[in-house]
Amino acid sequence: SQQGEEDPQALSIQEGENATMNCSYKTSINNLQWYRQNSGRGLVHLILIRSNEREKHSGRLRVTLDTSKKSSSLLITASRAADTASYFCATDASAGTYKYIFGTGTRLKVLA
Amino acid sequence: DTAVSQTPKYLVTQMGNDKSIKCEQNLGHDTMYWYKQDSKKFLKIMFSYNNKELIINETVPNRFSPKSPDKAHLNLHINSLELGDSAVYFCASSQVGAQMSQYFGPGTRLTVL
Repeated sequence: SQQGEEDPQALSIQEGENATMNCSYKTSINNLQWYRQNSGRGLVHLILIRSNEREKHSGRLRVTLDTSKKSSSLLITASRAADTASYFCATDASAGTYKYIFGTGTRLKVLA
Repeated sequence: DTAVSQTPKYLVTQMGNDKSIKCEQNLGHDTMYWYKQDSKKFLKIMFSYNNKELIINETVPNRFSPKSPDKAHLNLHINSLELGDSAVYFCASSQVGAQMSQYFGPGTRLTVL
């Protein structure tokens, strides 16, 4: 079954550094989303990128999508301690479906 | 003004019991979901309702039964609880056609003893 896989599984950086997380998926998609999950909380939607888009920005976030490689990356610039969380990518299972498949997540720790 | 709320937040119960988790959204969304997140943080979809109609029903034991009395509510009833049911259960909602971004509830941590 289609499943996104994030890489790396865990990442530890110093405050102010940039953090890059990657997501790979298996089948064609209409769009890909990134979510953040703080410890003990629900997921929060960060950004959506459509299959015909290659790059998207939102504040300190930059998402790229390479449909030929079936991969996406999330870049967080100038990281802050508050960015410490798990980050998940989610892909729609197929056109017209309401079903999203979530990846395994990257645990990001930003050290102050 | 909580967007997606779940009750209870914590649920500790014995094997074999029956329990329910309730979810409500005040966003006016037409689609609601139940997810299960295991101890390794893997998030798996279980069910989805669109306008009170079941549209996604993953391979889930039939001990799990969702019920949507109206568009704003989606409850999850679990019969004969087993140890392997211990997990965090998340409710989410979205509006079809509006970018499909999902809004998640705070989760219900279920512990089966």
